[in-house]
Amino acid sequence: AQKVTQAQTEISVVEKEDVTLDCVYETRDTTYYLFWYKQPPSGELVFLIRRNSFDEQNEISGRYSWNFQKSTSSFNFTITASQVVDSAVYFCALNSNYQLIWGAGTKLIIKP
Amino acid sequence: DTAVSQTPKYLVTQMGNDKSIKCEQNLGHDTMYWYKQDSKKFLKIMFSYNNKELIINETVPNRFSPKSPDKAHLNLHINSLELGDSAVYFCASSQEISETQYFGPGTRLLVL
Repeated sequence: AQKVTQAQTEISVVEKEDVTLDCVYETRDTTYYLFWYKQPPSGELVFLIRRNSFDEQNEISGRYSWNFQKSTSSFNFTITASQVVDSAVYFCALNSNYQLIWGAGTKLIIKP
Repeated sequence: DTAVSQTPKYLVTQMGNDKSIKCEQNLGHDTMYWYKQDSKKFLKIMFSYNNKELIINETVPNRFSPKSPDKAHLNLHINSLELGDSAVYFCASSQEISETQYFGPGTRLLVL
């Protein structure tokens, strides 16, 4: 069965702290894709990253970085030096067997 | 120029009414989707069309009927609206089903 678990329902940090959002997935497929999306308070869903199962290289984009580890079936997302504008719900998703399976989301609150 | 657009953005209606939500994408994608997001932010796939053909039809009441007149459009018609239909409905599109999905701004439906 395919499944995505985001165990952290809500995280609250003070601005400029680093924060890591966890994502653990389950699949029996050897080819799959992992995604992160951001949903700010305004409500739109914004694509952040797509990673395929054969590429375990970590990715960095500005203050955002992603750590993909097949050995632990995890695809964690770190925000460095968080800012108030990072406050949002963040979703991890797994595309396996031609369907996108979503995690329940982690609500991130960045306090000034 | 908006990539994935939905109309209307807000929809307030009475129980028992019939309503439609329209979606258009100008990305040239072959696959389109409808999602429902409930009050707890959980995202659930409802339907998926590839080249105007229905490929995913999750357990959704028969009152919900998608229609794809062409590759760029996927409309959602809802009959006999119920209180539990209140949610945010997102349209999305992708080039192929394993590719990144890009989302519309959402339609906030409130059934009174």
